[in-house]
Amino acid sequence: GQQVMQIPQYQHVQEGEDFTTYCNSSTTLSNIQWYKQRPGGHPVFLIQLVKSGEVKKQKRLTFQFGEAKKNSSLHITATQTTDVGTYFCAGRVQGAQKLVFGQGTRLTINP
Amino acid sequence: KAGVTQTPRYLIKTRGQQVTLSCSPISGHRSVSWYQQTPGQGLQFLFEYFSETQRNKGNFPGRFSGRQFSNSRSEMNVSTLELGDSALYLCASSSGLAGGPSIGEQFFGPGTRLTVL
Repeated sequence: GQQVMQIPQYQHVQEGEDFTTYCNSSTTLSNIQWYKQRPGGHPVFLIQLVKSGEVKKQKRLTFQFGEAKKNSSLHITATQTTDVGTYFCAGRVQGAQKLVFGQGTRLTINP
Repeated sequence: KAGVTQTPRYLIKTRGQQVTLSCSPISGHRSVSWYQQTPGQGLQFLFEYFSETQRNKGNFPGRFSGRQFSNSRSEMNVSTLELGDSALYLCASSSGLAGGPSIGEQFFGPGTRLTVL
């Protein structure tokens, strides 16, 4: 079945350092979404990417969708303690409607 | 607009029992998806309902079932509970336009924390 692999599983950084999480799919995706889940909370939608090679920015967060629409990344510049949480990518296979989530990257930050 | 609500928030059951979880989507949303979240397996898709019909299904045994009502509210049932069913069960709603290439963002509820003893 379709798989969405996300790495790393865990990442610990010093406040102010950058952070990147990567997502790879075994099949071409029609779109990819990113979610953030704070400790004890539920996933909250961050963004959706649809076009090949698309890059979107939200303040310190930069999201990319690969040219082949099989991979994506989330980069956070100068992390802050409010960035703590688990970041999930979720891909939708072309022609299908099921959303497949990556395993998530848990980000912890040393203030 | 009120968010997605799930009841109950916490539940403790014993092996062999059955449980029903409820989800009320955001008003106007017709798609409801259910996920199981565990520390080891992450977010696993259970099923999705759209306009009272199951549209997608994950790889879970038949003990896991669901339904959706005409008002888009959804229930999930797990029969013959096993210890491994202990998890956070999340419901998510979206507009879920039928046939669309991009269903859009999912709005998650707070989840039901199920503990099986």
